[in-house]
Amino acid sequence: AQKVTQAQTEISVVEKEDVTLDCVYETRDTTYYLFWYKQPPSGELVFLIRRNSFDEQNEISGRYSWNFQKSTSSFNFTITASQVVDSAVYFCALSVFSGNTPLVFGKGTRLSVIA
Amino acid sequence: SQTIHQWPATLVQPVGSPLSLECTVEGTSNPNLYWYRQAAGRGLQLLFYSVGIGQISSEVPQNLSASRPQDRQFILSSKKLLLSDSGFYLCAWSLLQGRGGEQYFGPGTRLTVT
Repeated sequence: AQKVTQAQTEISVVEKEDVTLDCVYETRDTTYYLFWYKQPPSGELVFLIRRNSFDEQNEISGRYSWNFQKSTSSFNFTITASQVVDSAVYFCALSVFSGNTPLVFGKGTRLSVIA
Repeated sequence: SQTIHQWPATLVQPVGSPLSLECTVEGTSNPNLYWYRQAAGRGLQLLFYSVGIGQISSEVPQNLSASRPQDRQFILSSKKLLLSDSGFYLCAWSLLQGRGGEQYFGPGTRLTVT
């Protein structure tokens, strides 16, 4: 069975601080994908990134960066120089290729960026 | 490009009343479709998913049901709502193959059962 753990329920930071959201996953499949979604106060989930299990290169997109480490089964998300608009709930998710099964989501981390 | 629609955006219903939420996808064919519920301040709970017309998988036993009468239409229903059915309902779609099952979400329906 697959599992995604986001141990941080809520994080609060002051604007311009860097913040890292943790994600640990469990799967026995060797082929899988990892995702991050953002849910702003409006409610709609917004796709941020997809990473497959064969690509461990870190990725940077503007102030966002992702650190994928298979050795620790982690896919952490860092926001640099946080802004108030980054305030949202962030979900990490996992999918595997062993069947036509839905994504497995973590419980989410609520990030509050204070001005 | 693909778009996903949900309606209504908000709904207030009394306990015991029926429910029908609709989700439609445009710009793609034969998508996988999903219904999620999110209680206030909590994570996503997968309710149903469908890999084709008339094919529905239920994840959680409850008083809700889902139907897929057309390729790009997914309906969530209930005959009698409970207070515990209150929440934020999200519909999502994904491609059958490719992109690792990446899902795209609709704007959601906020349901309050009184």
